[in-house]
Amino acid sequence: AQTVTQSQPEMSVQEAETVTLSCTYDTSENNYYLFWYKQPPSRQMILVIRQEAYKQQNATENRFSVNFQKAAKSFSLKISDSQLGDTAMYFCAFMNNQGGKLIFGQGTELSVKP
Amino acid sequence: DTGVSQNPRHKITKRGQNVTFRCDPISEHNRLYWYRQTLGQGPEFLTYFQNEAQLEKSRLLSDRFSAERPKGSFSTLEIQRTEQGDSAMYLCASSPPVRAGEKLFFGSGTQLSVL
Repeated sequence: AQTVTQSQPEMSVQEAETVTLSCTYDTSENNYYLFWYKQPPSRQMILVIRQEAYKQQNATENRFSVNFQKAAKSFSLKISDSQLGDTAMYFCAFMNNQGGKLIFGQGTELSVKP
Repeated sequence: DTGVSQNPRHKITKRGQNVTFRCDPISEHNRLYWYRQTLGQGPEFLTYFQNEAQLEKSRLLSDRFSAERPKGSFSTLEIQRTEQGDSAMYLCASSPPVRAGEKLFFGSGTQLSVL
């Protein structure tokens, strides 16, 4: 069974600084998909970024980028130029190649301080 | 695109009562998912449908839980004989009928409190 682990329950960063959130996962599959979702206090889950495991190039979306290390089964999220609106819970998630369910990590609560 | 809609937003019930939640997915999304989330934790998968077929159920989904999607559109999640441990946010999500790896679109959830 696949598992996703986020070892940082809480993190904080100063506005305009850069922060990296860690995620590791366990799977025996070769092709799969990885996601980072953001959940602000409204509790609405919002997709931040998506990575396809068969693509070596790291995904980027504006200020958000990932460091995908397939051999190490690591998928970290880097947020550049942090903004107050980035304050939220961040969840790493795994989906296998057949699609279907997302398996989530425990989450990291990020606080951006002015 | 009106988004995934969940009703009610909040539900307070007494232990032992039955509750039912509704989820309306984004139209033309053929996959629909139910998750449960407790405070400070990540969402836990409960079950998912492709059209009207229930393709997978988690072991978390005890006999007191049942989900339906009779016409392949909206879905209901019923909890019978509620227990205090059922208190959680119940999230619904949907995804379109395309290749694997498509993102899930989430609703705002139903917050259940069992007294």
